[in-house]
Amino acid sequence: DGGITQSPKYLFRKEGQNVTLSCEQNLNHDAMYWYRQDPGQGLRLIYYSQIVNDFQKGDIAEGYSVSREKKESFPLTVTSAQKNPTAFYLCATGLGGGSNQPQHFGDGTRLSIL
Amino acid sequence: GDSVTQMEGPVTLSEEAFLTINCTYTATGYPSLFWYVQYPGEGLQLLLKATKADDKGSNKGFEATYRKETTSFHLEKGSVQVSDSAVYFCALSRNAGGTSYGKLTFGQGTILTVHP
Repeated sequence: DGGITQSPKYLFRKEGQNVTLSCEQNLNHDAMYWYRQDPGQGLRLIYYSQIVNDFQKGDIAEGYSVSREKKESFPLTVTSAQKNPTAFYLCATGLGGGSNQPQHFGDGTRLSIL
Repeated sequence: GDSVTQMEGPVTLSEEAFLTINCTYTATGYPSLFWYVQYPGEGLQLLLKATKADDKGSNKGFEATYRKETTSFHLEKGSVQVSDSAVYFCALSRNAGGTSYGKLTFGQGTILTVHP
């Protein structure tokens, strides 16, 4: 089945700890995105990548880092510098070739603080 | 900058009632407009889209028309079902600064609950 796999589904972080959220896709999409969802605030863009080995900051990149070493994978690291990391994190992919292309979303990872 | 404003929820309806969720946007140029739906504990699914003025997107009984004169993209359904209970997001996408990465700007979401 083609799709986007996010893991784990639930993740807990201790104070001062970095954690990494996985996002893998087999849709052969060039573009990948990470969003953060907080109640009542919609989704906000953290980072995006249009091609392998290239990525750009979104609107709320502080405290996060990413890599794009393979087309299929776009992991997100939530660093200890992110002081309020509790949220629902969504990975998305898209053709990236223009604004009329919809994005496809994974099922998300819910991150909480211990 | 770009922005999307949705009607505040939550919206509670009885089965077979008519649904409208208002969405207005602010953006320069000619954005594409989308409605996404999120069921509990899941990611977002594309519900429908419209890419130019007067386009009507439709899917699963839902419809929305791209109205450039009122900068709106209201979601409607003639007869809702319990299974339509979810969070609905309006979003826009446009080229930004010459790059075509398709950045989505979302509204805050509207929670819909349909009772039998």
